[in-house]
Amino acid sequence: QQKVQQSPESLIVPEGGMASLNCTSSDRNVDYFWWYRQHSGKSPKMLMSIFSNGEKEEGRFTVHLNKASLHTSLHIRDSQPSDSALYLCAASTNSAGNKLTFGIGTRVLVRP
Amino acid sequence: EAGVTQSPRYAVLQEGQAVSFWCDPISGHDTLYWYQQPRDQGPQLLVYFRDEAVIDNSQLPSDRFSAVRPKGTNSTLKIQSAKQGDTATYLCASSFGGRSDYTFGSGTRLLVI
Repeated sequence: QQKVQQSPESLIVPEGGMASLNCTSSDRNVDYFWWYRQHSGKSPKMLMSIFSNGEKEEGRFTVHLNKASLHTSLHIRDSQPSDSALYLCAASTNSAGNKLTFGIGTRVLVRP
Repeated sequence: EAGVTQSPRYAVLQEGQAVSFWCDPISGHDTLYWYQQPRDQGPQLLVYFRDEAVIDNSQLPSDRFSAVRPKGTNSTLKIQSAKQGDTATYLCASSFGGRSDYTFGSGTRLLVI
């Protein structure tokens, strides 16, 4: 079964700093990677998705993908206390019905 | 647009009791997913439907868990005899055409004591 590994497990970032999160899949058939953010006690909300090699930027969030190594990373610049949350990486495969397989997440704490 | 609605928000059970969770997906979304999220972990897929058909229930503990979506709209997830290890948040999500850009509901938090 496909595994999605995330690192680090937790991260403390000063307000205004950069947070960098990593994610790797063990399934060579992965077509898409997804990043979700989950605030405490809330449901996961999709941040960004990526399927092609390279970089994608939306506001303060940048996602990188290296398909050869099945590695994606999420970078949050100018981190705000409201960015404190659990960040979940997920992978999907067209041949497996596009269901999402999630990692255990990286808990980010932004200190004012 | 209304989101994915789940009820109840919370449930507290003793071991051996039964419980049902209900999910109303976004109107028009044909694909519905049930995930289990233990505390401080990522969601794990239990079962998903396309319309009323079960597509994958391989991770559903079939001896105690069951899920139905009889008319291809609302869905019910039932735990027949709860165990402490079932303590988790149960998330329902929906999408259109099996796309992976899910919308999650707010979840049901289950505590089994």
